Amino acid sequence: TQLLEQSPQFLSIQEGENLTVYCNSSSVFSSLQWYRQEPGEGPVLLVTVVTGGEVKKLKRLTFQFGDARKDSSLHITAAQPGDTGLYLCAGAWYGRGSTLGRLYFGRGTQLTVWP
Amino acid sequence: NAGVTQTPKFRILKIGQSMTLQCTQDMNHNYMYWYRQDPGMGLKLIYYSVGAGITDKGEVPNGYNVSRSTTEDFPLRLELAAPSQTSVYFCASRLEGAYEQYFGPGTRLTVT
Repeated sequence: TQLLEQSPQFLSIQEGENLTVYCNSSSVFSSLQWYRQEPGEGPVLLVTVVTGGEVKKLKRLTFQFGDARKDSSLHITAAQPGDTGLYLCAGAWYGRGSTLGRLYFGRGTQLTVWP
Repeated sequence: NAGVTQTPKFRILKIGQSMTLQCTQDMNHNYMYWYRQDPGMGLKLIYYSVGAGITDKGEVPNGYNVSRSTTEDFPLRLELAAPSQTSVYFCASRLEGAYEQYFGPGTRLTVT
């Protein structure tokens, strides 16, 4: 069973379109992170959200953490070919004596933006 | 800083062979992790370490071993390689108190 469910698994769009990727769980997380991974490379952190209802913007990317801290979304405005990549969400717990901060990853959303 | 480095980049093993995947970080991070990534499956935690001399199992530890003799190095050992261990392996590190994990470039392993 997957702790974090991402949807859609694949997304293929034209340059200039908007898109939203979802990350859902039945568990409450201390923080949720979004990573972007390009072929042949390791994931690179885009953003960390820690407060329920939090919204963070990174240029054309908008990240939201659900009020109950169980879900998150990534919205890209006016997508560009350079946005192509695998987007991964990952949740972590830090409380109750555990400071390990283990990340539980979703399966990822493969985004392709065509010129 | 080089960040997190991994060697080798690629490796092909025959069934039953053994090898060690190397991981080094120069950021003085105390937490280090090993993940495997299979197509369409995200990343699964194999082993982790909270500091030199301290390691523990993650979600998928069977067939692997680790050691952490220094802060910088966290090698992953495969004994008796099996086709199910064909995957891309990522090492990551994190500073205590910080959220972000820094990933290495990965090792692509094929067992035939």
